[in-house]
Amino acid sequence: KAGVTQTPRYLIKTRGQQVTLSCSPISGHRSVSWYQQTPGQGLQFLFEYFSETQRNKGNFPGRFSGRQFSNSRSEMNVSTLELGDSALYLCASNNRDSLNYGYTFGSGTRLTVV
Amino acid sequence: GENVGLHLPTLSVQEGDNSIINCAYSNSASDYFIWYKQESGKGPQFIIDIRSNMDKRQGQRVTVLLNKTVKHLSLQIAATQPGDSAVYFCAENALFGNEKLTFGTGTRLTIIP
Repeated sequence: KAGVTQTPRYLIKTRGQQVTLSCSPISGHRSVSWYQQTPGQGLQFLFEYFSETQRNKGNFPGRFSGRQFSNSRSEMNVSTLELGDSALYLCASNNRDSLNYGYTFGSGTRLTVV
Repeated sequence: GENVGLHLPTLSVQEGDNSIINCAYSNSASDYFIWYKQESGKGPQFIIDIRSNMDKRQGQRVTVLLNKTVKHLSLQIAATQPGDSAVYFCAENALFGNEKLTFGTGTRLTIIP
C-alpha cells in the first residue's frame, strides 16, 4: 500500500511569507503528526490530529498551525516565516487500532527561508 | 544532512561485525519505544518497536533490548552491511497518553567496508 505522501518536497520562501505543507497518511490511518527537524534541535513534535481535531500540540509559536480534513489528509501552515523556520518538516501517520502500531513517516518537505 | 549541527554520537563498525546503539530515555511513563533509521535526504524509517511489557524483541538482523529500571534502550544490528550506514534514533511514547513521540538526538553509524 502507499506510504505517507508529503508535498511539496522542496520549498524556498522569503522571510515574512507564509507556507502551507500537505500530508496524505497511509490509507486507513486517522492520526497524523507533524515534526520539525533541524540540525540544532533535532526532531521536535509540532502537533497531532485525529478525526479532524488537534489532540496534542508541541511548544511552537502560534505561527505554526495545522488542520485535518475528513479524508485524514492534513496540512500545516507557517505564517510570517523567519529564517529559523528553515527545516525538514516531517509528517507521520499511525493507526492505534492496529497491532502494528508504529508511526510511519513521509520523506518530508525541505523548507528554506531566505 | 539534517543532523550535521547536532553533536551526534558516532559509531564506526567494520562490515560484517555486529553493532550496538544505545539510548537513554527520560520519561518513566513511556511505555512504547521505536527505533528509526534515517538516511540522508529521507524521512525516518521504522526499524523495530517494543512495548514496556517486554525486555527484548527480535527482527531481521536487529534486536531491541529494553531496561526499564535504568531507562535504557539498545539496538543491536547483526552482520552489518554498508546499507546500514545512517543516523539511528530512538523514540518514546506513552501509549495511552498523547500521540507525541519524543526523539533522542541520534547516533550516526558508519559501516567501514
